[in-house]
Amino acid sequence: GAVVSQHPSRVICKSGTSVKIECRSLDFQATTMFWYRQFPKQSLMLMATSNEGSKATYEQGVEKDKFLINHASLTLSTLTVTSAHPEDSSFYICSAPMTSGVEQFFGPGTRLTVL
Amino acid sequence: GDSVTQMEGPVTLSEEAFLTINCTYTATGYPSLFWYVQYPGEGLQLLLKATKADDKGSNKGFEATYRKETTSFHLEKGSVQVSDSAVYFCALNRDDKIIFGKGTRLHILP
Repeated sequence: GAVVSQHPSRVICKSGTSVKIECRSLDFQATTMFWYRQFPKQSLMLMATSNEGSKATYEQGVEKDKFLINHASLTLSTLTVTSAHPEDSSFYICSAPMTSGVEQFFGPGTRLTVL
Repeated sequence: GDSVTQMEGPVTLSEEAFLTINCTYTATGYPSLFWYVQYPGEGLQLLLKATKADDKGSNKGFEATYRKETTSFHLEKGSVQVSDSAVYFCALNRDDKIIFGKGTRLHILP
């Protein structure tokens, strides 16, 4: 069964609104989680590393004020897309590493459509 | 920085054909290497992995060998099925971050 869940699986919103996406690790604790975005027919691009108890680390070119990340607990990280615009429409995926750190579990993804 | 390059698709094959999807990487040291698969409408799934040079990862008839000398991790399967139609991503792990190739879309015709 799934070990990382995401909610919602799909969201449609109006331009200018904010959208929150949740990523939960099931049955295991994750001090670190990762957020990716995937454009249609393209690869996954790492956006940021979510750290429990400290600030997220953003990849170069990712606006930290636009993509707010909060690692509220050892099983929950949230990504908030603030003042969303149509160009933010994408597939957002989170992942959490196994204890060994080599493998990661990926969530099923959240498809965001901004009208 | 670290990167992964894989052959562009789409790749279209007939059922029972032999499959090779090329993947090369650029990295310092020896990262762990992976192949992930994304079936239509589903999330990413780990297909196989190799953590050190000369390791061979295998799963569901797919194989890939970690070649240090050629910095490659090519995916192979001897006889593909229609159900193998999906997007395949080659990836490496660097400090817990997964760096993905662009993905190769595979179509298998019955």
